Order: sequence, then C-alpha cells, then structure tokens
Amino acid sequence: GNSVTQMEGPVTLSEEAFLTINCTYTATGYPSLFWYVQYPGEGLQLLLKATKADDKGSNKGFEATYRKETTSFHLEKGSVQVSDSAVYFCALSPTSGTYKYIFGTGTRLKVLA
Amino acid sequence: DGGITQSPKYLFRKEGQNVTLSCEQNLNHDAMYWYRQDPGQGLRLIYYSQIVNDFQKGDIAEGYSVSREKKESFPLTVTSAQKNPTAFYLCASSIGGQTDEQFFGPGTRLTVL
Repeated sequence: GNSVTQMEGPVTLSEEAFLTINCTYTATGYPSLFWYVQYPGEGLQLLLKATKADDKGSNKGFEATYRKETTSFHLEKGSVQVSDSAVYFCALSPTSGTYKYIFGTGTRLKVLA
Repeated sequence: DGGITQSPKYLFRKEGQNVTLSCEQNLNHDAMYWYRQDPGQGLRLIYYSQIVNDFQKGDIAEGYSVSREKKESFPLTVTSAQKNPTAFYLCASSIGGQTDEQFFGPGTRLTVL
C-alpha cells in the first residue's frame, strides 16, 4: 500500500544552519508529493509540491525535488530562521485518485537564535 | 477571502455527550476531509467526501459521523461511542484532482472531561 516515512524529530538547529528533512515514500505509479508546515495550535499550510518526477517545488527558501529513482522528496533550506520553527509534514496523493492523501508523522524543527 | 473556517477553536464536553464540530469552506471545492491529530502524531483520516450527499469512511471512522448536505459544509459529530475523543480535529478541502493540494482549517481542540 501507499506510505510516507519521515525522519524522526525533533531537529534542533542554530539560526542560519542548513536544513534537511528526509522523506521517502511507497506508492505505485506517479503520486503527487507535498510538504506542509504546521505552526503551534494551527492547521497545516501547504509549503510546496511536485506532481511529476524531477519536478522541484520551492517556496520561502525551501526546496524539494521529486526523485522517482530513490522514491524520495527531501525538504531543504539553505539558511533557517527562528520563524521556521514548526512541524513539517510530507504527504502524497496517490495516482489512483482515491482522495485519501497519505501523511507522514511529521518532523518538529526548532531553530535557536 | 476564500478559506476554511472551523468553529469553535476550543470545545469542552462532558463524557457521554455527543458534540458537533463545524467546518465551512468558500473555496468551491468538491472534496472535504476530517482528520484527527493527537500530540506528537501525524494526521489520521476520519471521513472524507468527494461530492455533496456522499461520503466515505477513513481509517478511524468508529465513533464519528458526518453529513454533506451542502457543498460548503461538512460537519463532524463525535459521538459517545468514541472511546478517546480528546484530540485536535482538522478539516480540509481540495478541488479533488490527484495533483491538487488540500487546504486546511485552523482546527478545533476538543477536550472531553
């Protein structure tokens, strides 16, 4: 079946450090892939997405590339800020269009000044 | 502004009482979803609806019920049969295509005393 695996958190970084949050998936065909961010006490917000292999999604300095060969969609940012502290979720939308999106368990990021 | 509203933000109920959580969207989206989020956990799908007057069970539907009488509304009832209802509940909507992201409401935190 379809699944998403994210690296365990929490991840603690100093301001301006490089960020990588790993995400791998299992799915048939070509799912769409997403990264969402959740700030404390709020809903999820779409951060970026990619809908086909080799696509790169980017937003607010964050990037992720859809790698079909490694079934991965790792989130990266070159220089994190304190305001990036949040929980990040990787998700996929299956090819079959079942409407059942699959979410990872989330990775908490804490950025220290 | 288009978006999803959930009310109330915080809800307290006594054990054994049914409670209904509101979710309204003005994005003209066909698909709507309810998720449950427990502390430090990912999102678990409760129910989803692809069109008006139709809905399907998600992964943890027991103890919950929904209705979809209008395109813009998808209320969730937490019944007394739900053994552990205290959680953060998130409503989402999407256009419905496989490449389309979900838009989330701000969530309702339900506490059963």
